Amino acid sequence: EAQVTQNPRYLITVTGKKLTVTCSQNMNHEYMSWYRQDPGLGLRQIYYSMNVEVTDKGDVPEGYKVSRKEKRNFPLILESPSPNQTSLYFCASSITGTLLEQYFGPGTRLTVT
Amino acid sequence: AQTVTQSQPEMSVQEAETVTLSCTYDTSESDYYLFWYKQPPSRQMILVIRQEAYKQQNATENRFSVNFQKAAKSFSLKISDSQLGDAAMYFCAYRSVIKLVFGAGTILRVKS
Repeated sequence: EAQVTQNPRYLITVTGKKLTVTCSQNMNHEYMSWYRQDPGLGLRQIYYSMNVEVTDKGDVPEGYKVSRKEKRNFPLILESPSPNQTSLYFCASSITGTLLEQYFGPGTRLTVT
Repeated sequence: AQTVTQSQPEMSVQEAETVTLSCTYDTSESDYYLFWYKQPPSRQMILVIRQEAYKQQNATENRFSVNFQKAAKSFSLKISDSQLGDAAMYFCAYRSVIKLVFGAGTILRVKS
């Protein structure tokens, strides 16, 4: 089954404790992206990767890092999480950067206390 | 920068009736794509419909259709014969180069 998977689905952590949210797709997509969803703000892009060689910041990259060492995986890293990073996070992938059909993961609900 | 505005935080519709969700956007581009995504309580993001700006014909997918007014920069979603399963958050989105720009969303409630 073609899909984007994220782990964990739920995470409660404390300020400053490094964490990684994994994202993997099995569709051989070139493009991958991370979004965060907050009430009243919709989804906002954190980082994107056009392919394994190109990764760049989105609209809200502060406090986040990403890595694209292989095509299928695109982990999101929070080196020192803060309460303002409490949010719902989505990973997404697309065949190319045209984004005409973007596949989303199931979401990760992160709470930072 | 492109922006997408959904002015209706919440909407309600009676089962079997029709409802229209509004969306406006701001762009200086002439060729672009617009989308409506559905997010049910499961939180999964589901593509409902897509519109290419250079196509004058409004997109339709079964009970879902759009009213695309390019000059007015308006992109509304019409849901006909509403069903209980249509209850969800709906996001309007604009494709800007290499990302999607989303509106704040509209919660749709369907009454039986």
